[in-house]
Amino acid sequence: ETGVTQSPTHLIKTRGQQVTLRCSSQSGHNTVSWYQQALGQGPQFIFQYYREEENGRGNFPPRFSGLQFPNYSSELNVNALELDDSALYLCASSLGQGRGTEAFFGQGTRLTVV
Amino acid sequence: GQQLNQSPQSMFIQEGEDVSMNCTSSSIFNTWLWYKQDPGEGPVLLIALYKAGELTSNGRLTAQFGTTRKDSFLNISASIPSDVGIYFCAGRSYSGTYKYIFGTGTRLKVLA
Repeated sequence: ETGVTQSPTHLIKTRGQQVTLRCSSQSGHNTVSWYQQALGQGPQFIFQYYREEENGRGNFPPRFSGLQFPNYSSELNVNALELDDSALYLCASSLGQGRGTEAFFGQGTRLTVV
Repeated sequence: GQQLNQSPQSMFIQEGEDVSMNCTSSSIFNTWLWYKQDPGEGPVLLIALYKAGELTSNGRLTAQFGTTRKDSFLNISASIPSDVGIYFCAGRSYSGTYKYIFGTGTRLKVLA
């Protein structure tokens, strides 16, 4: 049990729709990162939020966006869903970014786009 | 996207046997981590390594940070059925922000 919770656990959407995924970080953790994990692959970095600001982004298009709130919880929004967006979306929280601040992952949200 | 190379891709072993897997990168990392992921769950941190050459243990698990800083190794001794799962290595890189680059995973199945 990492203390990182994500909702919903499963979701089915239609191509072209928009989706919002939510993450509650571990108590006291001020940094939240989002990863996409396609079936049979390792997680891929989407972006990171630190103290409510985006401070790093992977190779994902602008239709992937996010927010971090004052309580450090976070949202991942995906617009204009495509079939290839079907994946497990993982949220990870950490306290800062130095040594000893490794990220702890939630259980993920399984998104299926049909 | 970039992924690290892990080998073997999958392995079947007998309960009680030792297991070795490794992870290689074309880039240098300052931190290596090993995670285990069970079906339908998020990755769980097993071991973190911070210094080239470092050897760290966590119970039956031992991991090493390669001296070139481009590789890492994980050993599991006396495997048990609950070791089943997918093991991922990850390197932590910095390019304006810290992010993890994950490996392709090693799927482990333990035969009782």
